[in-house]
Amino acid sequence: DIQMTQSPSSLSASVGDRVTITCRASQTIGTYLNWYQQKPGKAPNLLIYGTSTLENGVPSRFSGSGSGTDFTLTISNLQPEDFAAYSCQQSHSLPHTFGQGTKLEI
Amino acid sequence: EVQLVESGGGLVKPGGSLRLSCAASGFTFSNAWMTWVRQPPGKGLEWVGRIKSKTHGGTTDYAAPLKGKFTISRDDSKNTLYLQMNSLRTEDTAVYYCTTDFLKFGTTLDYWGQGALVTVSS
Repeated sequence: DIQMTQSPSSLSASVGDRVTITCRASQTIGTYLNWYQQKPGKAPNLLIYGTSTLENGVPSRFSGSGSGTDFTLTISNLQPEDFAAYSCQQSHSLPHTFGQGTKLEI
Repeated sequence: EVQLVESGGGLVKPGGSLRLSCAASGFTFSNAWMTWVRQPPGKGLEWVGRIKSKTHGGTTDYAAPLKGKFTISRDDSKNTLYLQMNSLRTEDTAVYYCTTDFLKFGTTLDYWGQGALVTVSS
C-alpha cells in the first residue's frame, strides 16, 4: 500500500496568516492527490482534486501543488471558517490511502 | 441536491455482524461508483472499499485487512448502498461514511453522508 504522510500533525495560526500543509507519498503517484477539509463532528468535504483543481465553491485562497511524491496545500489569508482538519488522499493505486490528517487551530 | 443518508449503525458485541445502508438521492445512483470510508474516534480517515457501477462491471475492491470480512453491495433499484460487516472487532469501532465517486480525476470522494457510528464493545 502507498503510505501518505502529512506534516505537521497540528498547526497553530491566526486569521490572515498563510499556512502550508505537506503530504508525502511513499511512492510516486503522479498528480493523483486529493485534499479534504473536515470540521468537528462533520463529514469531510472535497477541497482539491488532481493536486491543484479546486472543487466547485472552494475559495481561491486555497491552492494545491506538487507531483510525484511531494504535495502541498496552501491556505492564504486564513479565515475563521478555515480552522479545521485537512487530509490528503492518493487515488493512484488501491487502496486509496489517506494521510493521518493535520489539525489547523487558532 | 445530492444526499447520502447512512443508517444501521449501533452497538455490537465483538464477533457480531452489522449491515449499514446508505440511501442516495439527487443523482443517478446507478451510474455512480461508491466508496465507504471509516474514521475511528479521534483518528484519521481510512479507505474501506468501493463498488463500481454495473456499467463498469459492478466489481468491488477492499482494503486488504477487510477483504473477506466486509462486503459492499448495491441495489440500484432502491438507490441504496450497503456495507455488510462480519466478525467485528473492537478496532472496527468508527464512524462509517458512504461517499460518491464521480471520477473527476481518478477517485474523488465528492459527496459524503453524515456518517454512521459503529461501536464494537462487550
